[in-house]
Amino acid sequence: SQQGEEDPQALSIQEGENATMNCSYKTSINNLQWYRQNSGRGLVHLILIRSNEREKHSGRLRVTLDTSKKSSSLLITASRAADTASYFCATTADRGSTLGRLYFGRGTQLTVWP
Amino acid sequence: DAGVTQSPTHLIKTRGQQVTLRCSPKSGHDTVSWYQQALGQGPQFIFQYYEEEERQRGNFPDRFSGHQFPNYSSELNVNALLLGDSALYLCASSSSGPSANYGYTFGSGTRLTVV
Repeated sequence: SQQGEEDPQALSIQEGENATMNCSYKTSINNLQWYRQNSGRGLVHLILIRSNEREKHSGRLRVTLDTSKKSSSLLITASRAADTASYFCATTADRGSTLGRLYFGRGTQLTVWP
Repeated sequence: DAGVTQSPTHLIKTRGQQVTLRCSPKSGHDTVSWYQQALGQGPQFIFQYYEEEERQRGNFPDRFSGHQFPNYSSELNVNALLLGDSALYLCASSSSGPSANYGYTFGSGTRLTVV
């Protein structure tokens, strides 16, 4: 299965601390994406990293990708209570003109305490 | 700039009934994908529509069907509903071509409960 798996399943930290979530997958990919979901509602796209990239930053987010280990990590620095949500990694192997099918893991539930 | 719009937001149906869910993609997007998310799970791909055709399909039975209209909006139809079809149904849109690598925009979903 191409499905990604996030680790840990749940993470609880204090405001101001950093949060690190990991994702592992099993097959070759074109790109890997991270999404956030609040309270079982729609997913919000956070960042996309291509298979030929190793690190990417966006605001307080830092994503790394190690294709040799088939793993990725998402670091949220200086976390806030508003960062409380479920975080999913999603992979795709498709290289066509459309974005292609995404394979999601079960997610990491992040709780940030004030 | 409106994002992805899904309707209805909540729906309760009886086993054996049929349901139609609707999705309007983000302005400028031409590709629509549907995902099913059971409670506590990650989203599972149902199918993708592009140029009014089903381009890819996940491991879902033929009871799940869809359509894309010329204005890029889409419908998801589920026939002969089962209790196991209870889930959050998410619509995601994206652009084709060079813009395809900017990620999906998801709607807020339709919560379907089958009783």
